[in-house]
Amino acid sequence: AQSVTQLGSHVSVSEGALVLLRCNYSSSVPPYLFWYVQYPNQGLQLLLKYTTGATLVKGINGFEAEFKKSETSFHLTKPSAHMSDAAEYFCAVTKGSGGGADGLTFGKGTHLIIQP
Amino acid sequence: GAGVSQSPSNKVTEKGKDVELRCDPISGHTALYWYRQSLGQGLEFLIYFQGNSAPDKSGLPSDRFSAERTGGSVSTLTIQRTQQEDSAVYLCASSRLNSPLHFGNGTRLTVT
Repeated sequence: AQSVTQLGSHVSVSEGALVLLRCNYSSSVPPYLFWYVQYPNQGLQLLLKYTTGATLVKGINGFEAEFKKSETSFHLTKPSAHMSDAAEYFCAVTKGSGGGADGLTFGKGTHLIIQP
Repeated sequence: GAGVSQSPSNKVTEKGKDVELRCDPISGHTALYWYRQSLGQGLEFLIYFQGNSAPDKSGLPSDRFSAERTGGSVSTLTIQRTQQEDSAVYLCASSRLNSPLHFGNGTRLTVT
């Protein structure tokens, strides 16, 4: 069985400050990990993914995440927050490289608030 | 190119009525998924299609929920005798085999 825990349902940072959204997972097999972003009244958009290889993964909009097996974590970071980053962020895990019969297990999401 | 299209974008229905939600996946995507997003609950997996068959229906919350997919393309999620707890955003996603999911904008269902 797989599960994802996102610490903090709401995270508030000032514009220009570091963004850190936490994600811990559990998986019985080596996981494939994803971060998705959801803007208001829209579907989910893939930010970045980790499958194999380099553990530091860079995504769109300046975000990156690091897979740490020893900590079972895949935290999302961005050095400097923009107002446009305000959205809901979801961490997800799967046994497969993206979907298929293994599907995706999502965390409950973290609402990122950017203060001017 | 066109993304995943869901209709209607909003649906208000009375308790006890049946509703149908439609999903048009990206052309060529063989896998199709339905998720339910409730406030504070994250995304709940409902059902997965590979082609027209549904190898995983484990997430359907009750026998009032059903889904079908025809021609390996359009999918319909049907909720019979809707209840207030069915109010949520229903998201559809599609993908090629072993590729990331692409999501539609969802259908917001409100049961009054």
